[in-house]
Amino acid sequence: DSGVTQTPKHLITATGQRVTLRCSPRSGDLSVYWYQQSLDQGLQFLIQYYNGEERAKGNILERFSAQQFPDLHSELNLSSLELGDSALYFCASSFRGGPRSLYNEQFFGPGTRLTVL
Amino acid sequence: KNQVEQSPQSLIILEGKNCTLQCNYTVSPFSNLRWYKQDTGRGPVSLTIMTFSENTKSNGRYTATLDADTKQSSLHITASQLSDSASYICVVTGWNNDMRFGAGTRLTVKP
Repeated sequence: DSGVTQTPKHLITATGQRVTLRCSPRSGDLSVYWYQQSLDQGLQFLIQYYNGEERAKGNILERFSAQQFPDLHSELNLSSLELGDSALYFCASSFRGGPRSLYNEQFFGPGTRLTVL
Repeated sequence: KNQVEQSPQSLIILEGKNCTLQCNYTVSPFSNLRWYKQDTGRGPVSLTIMTFSENTKSNGRYTATLDADTKQSSLHITASQLSDSASYICVVTGWNNDMRFGAGTRLTVKP
């Protein structure tokens, strides 16, 4: 158990809908990362927040957005869902998050499996 | 073209044998390289982290090596166990915290 929690575990929805995925980082970790893992694309970095502020952006679509709240939990919002958005969404956390943090080991949550029908 | 290439794509070995997984990257400038183990349907678990100045790092039966000059890393697993069956992912981070993931090597250990 990494100490990172994600809810829900599974989510089934229809195309065009909007969903929110939630992540609670390990106690004391300030940085949260979101990843998407689909069968054909492997693991992809979406976005990082550090202490409430966006720190780095990866391959995140405009239909997706995220935020980190004062209590450090984070939510990933996915809207206008398409079939291709079906994937495992992982959240990870680390203590540090700055661009010069060379040893920012990340601890991954169990993931949310999203199925878009 | 992916900036992190892993080989082989998949590997089957017998329990007790050793194996080596490869990771070649073009990410530059380079901050750190990590190896993760991911069981099917679960989150990745960190095995090793190396900065550009380190050339080897061990974690139990897992030993990672790094050659920053040739931009190559390998993960060596000794005395494999059935529980080593998983995907192994190489992740290279640049100085701007930009992370690049390899597609992974799927390892199957058979009794």
